[in-house]
Amino acid sequence: AQSVTQPDIHITVSEGASLELRCNYSYGATPYLFWYVQSPGQGLQLLLKYFSGDTLVQGIKGFEAEFKRSQSSFNLRKPSVHWSDAAEYFCAVVTFGGYNKLIFGAGTRLAVHP
Amino acid sequence: SQTIHQWPATLVQPVGSPLSLECTVEGTSNPNLYWYRQAAGRGLQLLFYSVGIGQISSEVPQNLSASRPQDRQFILSSKKLLLSDSGFYLCAWSVRGSSTDTQYFGPGTRLTVL
Repeated sequence: AQSVTQPDIHITVSEGASLELRCNYSYGATPYLFWYVQSPGQGLQLLLKYFSGDTLVQGIKGFEAEFKRSQSSFNLRKPSVHWSDAAEYFCAVVTFGGYNKLIFGAGTRLAVHP
Repeated sequence: SQTIHQWPATLVQPVGSPLSLECTVEGTSNPNLYWYRQAAGRGLQLLFYSVGIGQISSEVPQNLSASRPQDRQFILSSKKLLLSDSGFYLCAWSVRGSSTDTQYFGPGTRLTVL
């Protein structure tokens, strides 16, 4: 069955430091992959998505993610974290069947120290 | 541009009371619509999916039901709430017929059942 794993439940970084959030997927075909961000008490905002083509995708708020088929990974990165990036981050994959279904990872909660 | 609304934003209900949460989408036609629940400390669980008026698919058996009386309106209901129904309820939409099925989320409703 298709699945998404986010190995890190909590991550703490200092403001200005670089960030990498890990995401591994299990899917037999070419995956369609997403990263969403959720601020406390808010809905989910789409950061970026990968469907095909260039394996390094750029998103909003200075985030990027790299698709690595050999590692079944789609890690999210940001070169310099801002305090406003503190939130929960979800990786997701679309599975295709009777209807297209979005499978989410459990999420990674990011804390940013000043 | 497309927008998605949910109301109420917050709701506190006693056990055994009925529930009605509403979601509406503006700026698009014939969307796919989704209801998710996010329980404390857990990821997102897809509850219901709709491809059109009156067409509802349920992902998991539960105390909840969904209806789609109009093209851009999606309602989540319960006749008698349980404590376990507490959580954060998110509505989402996507373009019908899209091969990539990017989903866009509303602001959510925080439901507390006491």
